[in-house]
Amino acid sequence: DTGVSQNPRHKITKRGQNVTFRCDPISEHNRLYWYRQTLGQGPEFLTYFQNEAQLEKSRLLSDRFSAERPKGSFSTLEIQRTEQGDSAMYLCASSSAGSLYEQYFGPGTRLTVT
Amino acid sequence: QKEVEQDPGPLSVPEGAIVSLNCTYSNSAFQYFMWYRQYSRKGPELLMYTYSSGNKEDGRFTAQVDKSSKYISLFIRDSQPSDSATYLCAILGRDDKIIFGKGTRLHILP
Repeated sequence: DTGVSQNPRHKITKRGQNVTFRCDPISEHNRLYWYRQTLGQGPEFLTYFQNEAQLEKSRLLSDRFSAERPKGSFSTLEIQRTEQGDSAMYLCASSSAGSLYEQYFGPGTRLTVT
Repeated sequence: QKEVEQDPGPLSVPEGAIVSLNCTYSNSAFQYFMWYRQYSRKGPELLMYTYSSGNKEDGRFTAQVDKSSKYISLFIRDSQPSDSATYLCAILGRDDKIIFGKGTRLHILP
């Protein structure tokens, strides 16, 4: 399968703990995006990378959130000191720079903060 | 006004019917319009994209953009129970970011 993969698929954590999610994009795609989706809403943009450079971060991304893409391949999204409001589906997508409208999504990581 | 507005539904139609899903958007500068399908607890799947105005057809699916009224539509012909999902309209907005509607939940009744 050469699609976007995400791990873990589900994560349950206690408030105040740190969590880290991983995304492996489609191999030839140089753009990688993170989104957050809550029940009844569409995905909301969090941040994106072109190769290893993080080009933009949404205002939604508080300083407890950090994302990296160290070698321009996989990416990690870390949430420190989780809060109940962080409970959501975290989606990763990738695209090529020449087809920004064709973003392909992974299955998501569902985070539950108790 | 939100940049993309979409009625969340749910919308229930009998199998075989034609389904019409719609969104409105606010910025006339937008040029790329997409439809995604999302099954429960899965990531969104790109169905179709359209550039500027006009129609685009792919099998039972037709996407339509009317830039004069800032209205985008997805039509599904001969709807099947497997089409039951949430359909998200989306636009490529400023700074190369995709902006999604809330999604419309569609139920096809056998």
